[in-house]
Amino acid sequence: KQEVTQIPAALSVPEGENLVLNCSFTDSAIYNLQWFRQDPGKGLTSLLLIQSSQREQTSGRLNASLDKSSGRSTLYIAASQPGDSATYLCAPGSYNTDKLIFGTGTRLQVFP
Amino acid sequence: KAGVTQTPRYLIKTRGQQVTLSCSPISGHRSVSWYQQTPGQGLQFLFEYFSETQRNKGNFPGRFSGRQFSNSRSEMNVSTLELGDSALYLCASSLSGASEKLFFGSGTQLSVL
Repeated sequence: KQEVTQIPAALSVPEGENLVLNCSFTDSAIYNLQWFRQDPGKGLTSLLLIQSSQREQTSGRLNASLDKSSGRSTLYIAASQPGDSATYLCAPGSYNTDKLIFGTGTRLQVFP
Repeated sequence: KAGVTQTPRYLIKTRGQQVTLSCSPISGHRSVSWYQQTPGQGLQFLFEYFSETQRNKGNFPGRFSGRQFSNSRSEMNVSTLELGDSALYLCASSLSGASEKLFFGSGTQLSVL
């Protein structure tokens, strides 16, 4: 059974800092891993999708890496801004279940 | 291109009632999946539909059911509502399934009194 853990659970930082959000998963038989952000009471917005054959994926100030063998993914946010404040969730897609299993998320607050 | 549309946005029901939620996927997307989100359990997978067929199912009781129409629109039904069914229900669409990028709707916030 896939279990997904995200550390830290919450993070509060001043604007401009570079951030690292961690995601670990127990079943390495995955076909991809997606990172999402969720604003309070809203749906999820896809940020990055990394295929299992890839090591990293970049979009603007965001960079996600994947180490499938060790069951880890990292989301790096450069030069954080108050608009980055949200909950960030990772979700590996497992071959065994053919669905995304979501972590509990990291709640990020960036203050001016 | 219109995004994923969920209706209604908010719903208040009482125990024992039933409810139907609707999801219109992005045009051209054939896969629709449903999730329940609560503060205690996080995001949990309910089921996925592809080309009008349920392709995958999570660990929820039979009170939770769904269907998909020929235009890929999907509905989710919960019968005999319980207090614990209070949650944000999210649907997501993709071209063909979880191996591709998922696009989520804004959700339906269900409160059961």
